[in-house]
Amino acid sequence: AAGVIQSPRHLIKEKRETATLKCYPIPRHDTVYWYQQGPGQDPQFLISFYEKMQSDKGSIPDRFSAQQFSDYHSELNMSSLELGDSALYFCASSTWTGGGYGYTFGSGTRLTVV
Amino acid sequence: AQSVAQPEDQVNVAEGNPLTVKCTYSVSGNPYLFWYVQYPNRGLQFLLKYITGDNLVKGSYGFEAEFNKSQTSFHLKKPSALVSDSALYFCAVRDGVTGGGNKLTFGTGTQLKVEL
Repeated sequence: AAGVIQSPRHLIKEKRETATLKCYPIPRHDTVYWYQQGPGQDPQFLISFYEKMQSDKGSIPDRFSAQQFSDYHSELNMSSLELGDSALYFCASSTWTGGGYGYTFGSGTRLTVV
Repeated sequence: AQSVAQPEDQVNVAEGNPLTVKCTYSVSGNPYLFWYVQYPNRGLQFLLKYITGDNLVKGSYGFEAEFNKSQTSFHLKKPSALVSDSALYFCAVRDGVTGGGNKLTFGTGTQLKVEL
């Protein structure tokens, strides 16, 4: 079965650079979520999109922005990168299955800022 | 607001013994509860979920969890632990209230270590 695809798997950037992370949800899933997991931390919700519109916003810095495109893939854009942005970034997608929401997570993008 | 508490940073258990990883939650409406497992440098793998119905939920790899509404708990259990179960376990909750958004909120995680 198709899963949530994230690219790239690993990314190394220097401070003050920009980065773009991509997420391709499971086909027919209507909602995409972005999470940030710092070293030794639990995943923190950043932002979500439902049918290409922002549906919820969490602890996403102003330096970050995201959008969902017409093909439902989503991109997280990160500018003026800081050392503290080094983390594992997860994307998840979900839809109502009749038995409740099912969430599927991608393998994540590990961003290292040096 | 929804929240999850995992009171134990680490749980140690001998292989073959039963294991329990604790989770309590707080939500405004009926909870949707989930358990995920994370291996080092890997993504979050779904184990099981409770939406409604039987309080005992069976999931992947022999894991099960018991929903207890009065104690607002959703503890993860397995009758006989394996060394390969050693990983980081996250409990997560979604508020079932309509219009409350459907993001998952995670607990801080519990490191399970199963030893021979």
